[in-house]
Amino acid sequence: NAGVTQTPKFQVLKTGQSMTLQCAQDMNHNSMYWYRQDPGMGLRLIYYSASEGTTDKGEVPNGYNVSRLNKREFSLRLESAAPSQTSVYFCASSSEVLNTEAFFGQGTRLTVV
Amino acid sequence: GIQVEQSPPDLILQEGANSTLRCNFSDSVNNLQWFHQNPWGQLINLFYIPSGTKQNGRLSATTVATERYSLLYISSSQTTDSGVYFCAVESALHYQLIWGAGTKLIIKP
Repeated sequence: NAGVTQTPKFQVLKTGQSMTLQCAQDMNHNSMYWYRQDPGMGLRLIYYSASEGTTDKGEVPNGYNVSRLNKREFSLRLESAAPSQTSVYFCASSSEVLNTEAFFGQGTRLTVV
Repeated sequence: GIQVEQSPPDLILQEGANSTLRCNFSDSVNNLQWFHQNPWGQLINLFYIPSGTKQNGRLSATTVATERYSLLYISSSQTTDSGVYFCAVESALHYQLIWGAGTKLIIKP
């Protein structure tokens, strides 16, 4: 049982390039999330999907877009990467959007130069 | 919004020591989780504990929701316990976990 799987694990982009981070979960969870973690800090929510077919902004959505492709998959897209988006990105899932335990992927370390 | 404060920010201990990490939050919460982020960056679920007490081996946690705090106890520390311990809470107003800044724990052999 893999849990939450993210790809890639590492990525270096040049300013202005685009890329998509992929996330898949095999726990049949309804809700999925994208967070970012900057050095020395806790995580901050970028976007979430409470259920298949819905997405909503979190605390720091600017510069990102998301797609809930199906119940298993939730992708995060950077259309024009900026150095301020250098961070570690975590995908998470939970059975429901409230009052349930969240499980996290292993993270994607993104550097924008 | 809800504020989450963790203490101490840093803790250095010898192997075998016990420790208590604290998480204070500023409002009522529906959900509280403790995580361990290991030196490789992986987030490991420790406890899902919106209230009450739970134990898992050498680790235990207590959340007193009415007084807005949670404690994580680590007994007989091992070097593999090193890393950053995060508390994250979810309030009724937010569909997200709000994270503290973490406690960085270093266990020396």
